[in-house]
Amino acid sequence: KNEVEQSPQNLTAQEGEFITINCSYSVGISALHWLQQHPGGGIVSLFMLSSGKKKHGRLIATINIQEKHSSLHITASHPRDSAVYICAYSGGGADGLTFGKGTHLIIQP
Amino acid sequence: GAVVSQHPSRVICKSGTSVKIECRSLDFQATTMFWYRQFPKKSLMLMATSNEGSKATYEQGVEKDKFLINHASLTLSTLTVTSAHPEDSSFYICSVNDGPGNQPQHFGDGTRLSIL
Repeated sequence: KNEVEQSPQNLTAQEGEFITINCSYSVGISALHWLQQHPGGGIVSLFMLSSGKKKHGRLIATINIQEKHSSLHITASHPRDSAVYICAYSGGGADGLTFGKGTHLIIQP
Repeated sequence: GAVVSQHPSRVICKSGTSVKIECRSLDFQATTMFWYRQFPKKSLMLMATSNEGSKATYEQGVEKDKFLINHASLTLSTLTVTSAHPEDSSFYICSVNDGPGNQPQHFGDGTRLSIL
């Protein structure tokens, strides 16, 4: 069983829709990361959070430590948001990341 | 945040060749860098943690004699895939922590390795 479960695996939506991607994990973590991977493979760090909520532009990330659950929301989605969104956690300090399988998001004009 | 340069972006070579991939932290002195691998339609997986001036720490199942890591300076880590075989074909990507402790990670652009 993967330690990080993401849902949905694939999501196609219309431009302007509100998007939610969910992430559940089964171990104690130090921080939860949301990443964006583009078709060429490049990865951008969107958020790192250990509690509460963070917002950056149209992106919002939340985490519930007790429930071991995090969500990534995209408001007013746009075709340029189309990418793979990956949830990952770090155990702390100099630990590398453990990744979910990703959510492949397509926003249609 | 840290800017990370990874080179080359793509390699196609014959079976048995050794391939070196470089990961440079351009504006941050990184004592620790991470190497990940991603097979098609699979999750990214941590291969090893590269430590400046000391031996790398490899994850279970990753052969240290096949995937040689050298982190001789605070700005450069290299991953050498020795005697590469088709099953080593994958996407390799490095990352750097943006400071000590828990920090966002900054990724290189990755290297797509194809072994014929």
